[in-house]
Amino acid sequence: AQSVTQPDIHITVSEGASLELRCNYSYGATPYLFWYVQSPGQGLQLLLKYFSGDTLVQGIKGFEAEFKRSQSSFNLRKPSVHWSDAAEYFCAVGADFGNEKLTFGTGTRLTIIP
Amino acid sequence: DAGVIQSPRHEVTEMGQEVTLRCKPISGHDYLFWYRQTMMRGLELLIYFNNNVPIDDSGMPEDRFSAKMPNASFSTLKIQPSEPRDSAVYFCASSLRAAKGYTFGSGTRLTVV
Repeated sequence: AQSVTQPDIHITVSEGASLELRCNYSYGATPYLFWYVQSPGQGLQLLLKYFSGDTLVQGIKGFEAEFKRSQSSFNLRKPSVHWSDAAEYFCAVGADFGNEKLTFGTGTRLTIIP
Repeated sequence: DAGVIQSPRHEVTEMGQEVTLRCKPISGHDYLFWYRQTMMRGLELLIYFNNNVPIDDSGMPEDRFSAKMPNASFSTLKIQPSEPRDSAVYFCASSLRAAKGYTFGSGTRLTVV
C-alpha cells in the first residue's frame, strides 16, 4: 500500500522569500504524485501532478515540484511567495489503474509574514 | 463547469438526529469520493464509487454511516444517528481517474451538539 509523509507541520516564510515543502512517499512502483492547496474554509485545489516523463513539473500559481526517485521525494517549490500563498498544502500519492484511491499526507500549514 | 457542488455548506444538528450530506459531481466524471477531515486524523477516505457502484467502503467508520449514488449526478452521505464525534468537514470529490487528480467540492462543515 502506498503512503506519504509530510515532515513539516507548519512553516513560516517571509513574503518574497523562496519556499520548499517536503513530501516523501512510499510505493513499490512509479507512483502518481500530486500537490493540493487548501485555503481556509475551502476545498482542496490541485496545484500540480506527476505521472511520468520530465521529473520537474510546473503547476498553477507559480509552483513547481521535482520528482526524485532515488530519494522517494516530491518536494514543492516556489521562488518567491506572496501573502496569498498562506494555506494548507497536501501531498498525495496514487497508484496504477485499478486502484483509484489517493493517499494524502497530513498537510503542511504555510504562514507568510510581511 | 460549476465544479463539484456540495450542500449544505454548514450543518448544525443535535446528537441522535439524522444528517444527510449531498454532492453533485462534475458531469462526465466516473469516480466519486467522500472524505472526512478533522484536526486529529486529517483527510480520511470514507467511500468511493465508480459508475455509481460503491467500490471501497472500508473507511466508513460505523454502521451509522451510509452512502448512496442513485445516478451519475448525485450522491448522499447519511449519518444516523449522529454523534458529537462525527463533527468534521466532509468533502466530496470526483474524477475521471485518480491519475488525473480529484476535483473537490467546498465541503460541508458538520457540527453535532
